[in-house]
Amino acid sequence: GAGVSQSPSNKVTEKGKDVELRCDPISGHTALYWYRQRLGQGLEFLIYFQGNSAPDKSGLPSDRFSAERTGESVSTLTIQRTQQEDSAVYLCASSLGVIAADTQYFGPGTRLTVL
Amino acid sequence: AQTVTQSQPEMSVQEAETVTLSCTYDTSESDYYLFWYKQPPSRQMILVIRQEAYKQQNATENRFSVNFQKAAKSFSLKISDSQLGDAAMYFCAYRSAHSGNTPLVFGKGTRLSVIA
Repeated sequence: GAGVSQSPSNKVTEKGKDVELRCDPISGHTALYWYRQRLGQGLEFLIYFQGNSAPDKSGLPSDRFSAERTGESVSTLTIQRTQQEDSAVYLCASSLGVIAADTQYFGPGTRLTVL
Repeated sequence: AQTVTQSQPEMSVQEAETVTLSCTYDTSESDYYLFWYKQPPSRQMILVIRQEAYKQQNATENRFSVNFQKAAKSFSLKISDSQLGDAAMYFCAYRSAHSGNTPLVFGKGTRLSVIA
């Protein structure tokens, strides 16, 4: 079946512009996660959704970052007034449920470059 | 907060040989999961193997196996009969089993090169 998909694959933007990153989870997966991967680093957690509710927003680095999810489907991560330090790969993952044993399946990520 | 440390930024192995990637973690919890993910140049994170902390037996998946030492908080990955397709970044990750949904905590990764 189809895996997690993300769009766009690559995004180049100018400092100060807003960007929207999209994630389509695996059908039927109730949990969805956003991570950020800076160059040469591991992944850092940003936010997760349980259905369309976001119980844990603790990883969002600033109020310029926001995310929403429609039902148990598509999620968008929005970065307003982008800064150069926002340049990174943004990875989305989904899992069937919300227990720790549920495997997270990752998408290919969106590489964001802020000039 | 939990932390995951991968002390080897880069490793290399000859094709068909065996290589071990190191991972240590810090936690005060007793119930958790540990994972190894592979990230090829395509960027997509692929689950290689997972270990439940309550299980004493080390997990194995074909050519991949782990050495889980709970007391030492160590979780190394052994790749046997290395293949060119094993070349990638490998990330060790921790996930708490407590209090509902928790994110994965990742190490900084080890870049594995496979030499033909």
